[in-house]
Amino acid sequence: GDSVTQTEGQVALSEEDFLTIHCNYSASGYPTLFWYVQYPGEGPQLLFRASRDKEKGSSRGFEATYDKGTTSFHLRKASVQESDSAVYYCALSDASSFSKLVFGQGTSLSVVP
Amino acid sequence: GGIITQTPKFLIGQEGQKLTLKCQQNFNHDTMYWYRQDSGKGLRLIYYSITENDLQKGDLSEGYDASREKKSSFSLTVTSAQKNEMAVFLCASSIAKAGAETLYFGSGTRLTVL
Repeated sequence: GDSVTQTEGQVALSEEDFLTIHCNYSASGYPTLFWYVQYPGEGPQLLFRASRDKEKGSSRGFEATYDKGTTSFHLRKASVQESDSAVYYCALSDASSFSKLVFGQGTSLSVVP
Repeated sequence: GGIITQTPKFLIGQEGQKLTLKCQQNFNHDTMYWYRQDSGKGLRLIYYSITENDLQKGDLSEGYDASREKKSSFSLTVTSAQKNEMAVFLCASSIAKAGAETLYFGSGTRLTVL
């Protein structure tokens, strides 16, 4: 079945550091890819999505590019802030399997001033 | 905008007990979901429902029942709570019956079983 793998379980950075969270996927079809962010005490919320190869999604300074060749959708931000501390989930939705999202394991980002 | 309300926020149960979690949404969305969140395992789908009175099993449905009696509400029952179980249960909704639509989540019910 479809799957999503996030390499980093926890990431600790200082403010203004560069962030990369790796996401690789496996899907039989042509999935839509998502990044969700979950702040403490809240449910996950959509950060952005991408549906086509080479499409870049972006929001709040975060970005990721859909790469069908390497089956990746890595999350990047040039300069993180303390307020970015949260759990980040990569996910995919394959239209052939209805609208169910398959989530990665999540990456907990902690940013210190 | 809309909101998803999950009750209760915290639930403490005893081993073997049947426990029910409730979810209400005012988005007027067709589809509703229950996910279980465990640290290091991401979110795993338990049940979903594409319309009133519809139920579909997810990957983690064993040990759970669900009910969608109204479009706006979706409840989840833990049929027999397992000792030392700790998890967060997240309810979500989306507008469409098919396709890659955005999910909107509630803030969760945190379950602890003594």
